Amino acid sequence: GAVVSQHPSRVICKSGTSVKIECRSLDFQATTMFWYRQFPKQSLMLMATSNEGSKATYEQGVEKDKFLINHASLTLSTLTVTSAHPEDSSFYICSAPSTDTQYFGPGTRLTVL
Amino acid sequence: KQEVTQIPAALSVPEGENLVLNCSFTDSAIYNLQWFRQDPGKGLTSLLLIQSSQREQTSGRLNASLDKSSGRSTLYIAASQPGDSATYLCAVPSGYSSASKIIFGSGTRLSIRP
Repeated sequence: GAVVSQHPSRVICKSGTSVKIECRSLDFQATTMFWYRQFPKQSLMLMATSNEGSKATYEQGVEKDKFLINHASLTLSTLTVTSAHPEDSSFYICSAPSTDTQYFGPGTRLTVL
Repeated sequence: KQEVTQIPAALSVPEGENLVLNCSFTDSAIYNLQWFRQDPGKGLTSLLLIQSSQREQTSGRLNASLDKSSGRSTLYIAASQPGDSATYLCAVPSGYSSASKIIFGSGTRLSIRP
């Protein structure tokens, strides 16, 4: 089946720094990818829709200047958490749709100290 | 607006029991429905995908049913084992396409006691 990868799987950073997370569709192309966030003991909530060659669409309450999304190719979307703070610590998961369903990446655990 | 609800939020049963997890959704016009498993601190593992035209799917000890008219799906786990302990998530696309964003339920945290 289709595979979506994320890198890094885990990152620890200091408050105020920026962190970039990559999401790749390994064996299919995706004009759209989705970024989700999961806080401890909660479900996944959609943050934004990444669109290849155009601006991302953000869900209500998600700051677009803080969570920068770039979808420069049909197989890669990046999420950059700018000026990270401890409250941004979370599990970030991306997904990419294929012909029949969506495939999820393994997730990135971000810890901001 | 599609909403997905899962009950119970948590369930603890002794090993060997059969059990049912419930999922309900408000908009019956779904493209498909998917059940996932999530272990603590890990990503999602897809368990079963039911297309809109299907009523159930089976994989090993797992059976998922879909009743669009009532907006319900169930995940049946037979002969539960301690290794089944995890959080189970139900999810549907927000639109009638596999390219739509996914709406997740809040999950059922399952614990199987040895």
